[in-house]
Amino acid sequence: QQQVKQSPQSLIVQKGGISIINCAYENTAFDYFPWYQQFPGKGPALLIAIRPDVSEKKEGRFTISFNKSAKQFSLHIMDSQPGDSATYFCAARRGNQGGKLIFGQGTELSVKP
Amino acid sequence: DVKVTQSSRYLVKRTGEKVFLECVQDMDHENMFWYRQDPGLGLRLIYFSYDVKMKEKGDIPEGYSVSREKKERFSLILESASTNQTSMYLCASSRPNTGELFFGEGSRLTVL
Repeated sequence: QQQVKQSPQSLIVQKGGISIINCAYENTAFDYFPWYQQFPGKGPALLIAIRPDVSEKKEGRFTISFNKSAKQFSLHIMDSQPGDSATYFCAARRGNQGGKLIFGQGTELSVKP
Repeated sequence: DVKVTQSSRYLVKRTGEKVFLECVQDMDHENMFWYRQDPGLGLRLIYFSYDVKMKEKGDIPEGYSVSREKKERFSLILESASTNQTSMYLCASSRPNTGELFFGEGSRLTVL
């Protein structure tokens, strides 16, 4: 079963708008929640990450919001740009299993000029 | 610049063939991983390795095996390829107990 559920599967946003991608998890043993960004023809690369003792982390236009009680976290991309068009994956780390990552299903973001 | 290199970007094989996917990293990382990427399913872990000659099954190991004879090299083996193994395969490496995986560019395998 999918331990990390991601939505939406695809997202179209106008340039300058806010992109929001949501993830929910089930396993309370997860201790680290990264987001990866993948451009066509490339492998995923770490974008931003958060630990469960923090409710929000911001890096430039990218923000993770984390709700531990609801077991949900989300990625917000402010002032979205065409260059942000990519596939985004949320993930969760199994803290007691040497750092393996469980990934969500992915969201294909398209930012229209 | 850190690098994970997958030897083949595109492969076409026939059902029943043995397939080798090779991955080499130049970062002296202990951990190496093989994931499979399919639309709507995200990345699913096939196998991982914490050290040379050590391996552990991931979430979908059936039909696959791996080999890690040297620290920098991690191979994925399909003993008898089947059409349902048509997919994008991603290799990654990391330091122990970090959440940052460094991925290769992927190997797209088509099994006819």
